[in-house]
Amino acid sequence: EVQLVESGGGLVQPGGFLRLSCEASEFTFSDFWMTWVRQAPGEGLEWVATIKEDGSEQYYVDSVKGRFTISRDNAKNSLYLQMNSLRAEDTAVYYCARSVGIAAAGVDYWGLGILVAVSS
Amino acid sequence: SYELTQPPSVSVSPGQAARITCSGDALPKKYAYWYQQKSGQAPVLVIYEDIKRPSGIPERFSGSISGTVATLTISGAQVEDEADYYCYSADRSGNLWVFGGGTKLTVL
Repeated sequence: EVQLVESGGGLVQPGGFLRLSCEASEFTFSDFWMTWVRQAPGEGLEWVATIKEDGSEQYYVDSVKGRFTISRDNAKNSLYLQMNSLRAEDTAVYYCARSVGIAAAGVDYWGLGILVAVSS
Repeated sequence: SYELTQPPSVSVSPGQAARITCSGDALPKKYAYWYQQKSGQAPVLVIYEDIKRPSGIPERFSGSISGTVATLTISGAQVEDEADYYCYSADRSGNLWVFGGGTKLTVL
């Protein structure tokens, strides 16, 4: 069964930074695009970023462009999200998800999520 | 920016059909995916590529597409189907993805 395990979350002050990691197992990581999705407390799901299988293409929601960087290490079966200049509105549970379908049309498997809280 | 529009809530009695719509201009060209999220849990894929059901998802879950509207139908909804449901798709460029605002399904 596909497993995705996020780590690296926590409490950070506004303007600070965090690096989320997602360790993947039970599938060939290098064959799949990967995606980060977040959910603010009491709110809906929001797509954050997606990266191609080989890391050569990355796509971001406008609200995080220039602040967040998605990357991957296929040798370590790991996905990352470097989050800089964090704002209160970045407070959310962040999910790592496996993209599927033509041009990563959807996601199928999700991690359990990790909480990022931005507050002074 | 691209948007997918869902009704905020749908309410049915047990055994009735529940229909949740998702409207988006690019849906004639881009697949819709549907997710179920129960309180405090990660989302679960229930329909992919508009109409396909993953293994392990009950047959009462089905998807359809007509023009710019994708629909998730739960035939004979059960109490355990109470959850938030989200549609997900890409814009025309295929380089920006969005979720619908979510629909809270109540079965009582």
